[in-house]
Amino acid sequence: DVKVTQSSRYLVKRTGEKVFLECVQDMDHENMFWYRQDPGLGLRLIYFSYDVKMKEKGDIPEGYSVSREKKERFSLILESASTNQTSMYLCASSPLGGRGANVLTFGAGSRLTVL
Amino acid sequence: AQTVTQSQPEMSVQEAETVTLSCTYDTSESDYYLFWYKQPPSRQMILVIRQEAYKQQNATENRFSVNFQKAAKSFSLKISDSQLGDAAMYFCATGDMRFGAGTRLTVKP
Repeated sequence: DVKVTQSSRYLVKRTGEKVFLECVQDMDHENMFWYRQDPGLGLRLIYFSYDVKMKEKGDIPEGYSVSREKKERFSLILESASTNQTSMYLCASSPLGGRGANVLTFGAGSRLTVL
Repeated sequence: AQTVTQSQPEMSVQEAETVTLSCTYDTSESDYYLFWYKQPPSRQMILVIRQEAYKQQNATENRFSVNFQKAAKSFSLKISDSQLGDAAMYFCATGDMRFGAGTRLTVKP
């Protein structure tokens, strides 16, 4: 019954490494989102996408990029990981439209540690 | 973007009692949606309840209900007859996908 799958549950990377976080959904949703979750800060929106090959910056896009080559897959890329990017990363998806009524379906999260 | 404030980092409730989690938000929209999500320990975030702003009636889902005060931009979550399984992080969110900082709810047996 898995609907949003994040490929890695735990990752440990070194400063300066390029990091890929993968997210796949099987619900044919148009919208996909990447958040980071930090204690005391909640969820902060990094990037989102409303369609294949489309992307929009969220509130904290600096240091991140994304790729959406297929509808079901949305990747978050850290070009050069830094220690302040140590966090829990959550992927989510929702159907198109709905005037903001759509419920997000979340993945289990990817906990990234940058040493 | 809409903004969300949750002023209670942690809350505690006795099993079978009632607890209310607070949330305020800011928006320039006239019609919008508000959500409460629950994140149990080491488990995925799930929806608890959703409210449409133009509806006067407060949303209810079993033991979960909201107190929506549109003029005050307040959207609190009430959990009645609290159960051990209600222990989780609770996040308030807006329809433009912005979240608050969360409230960690502990349920004491």
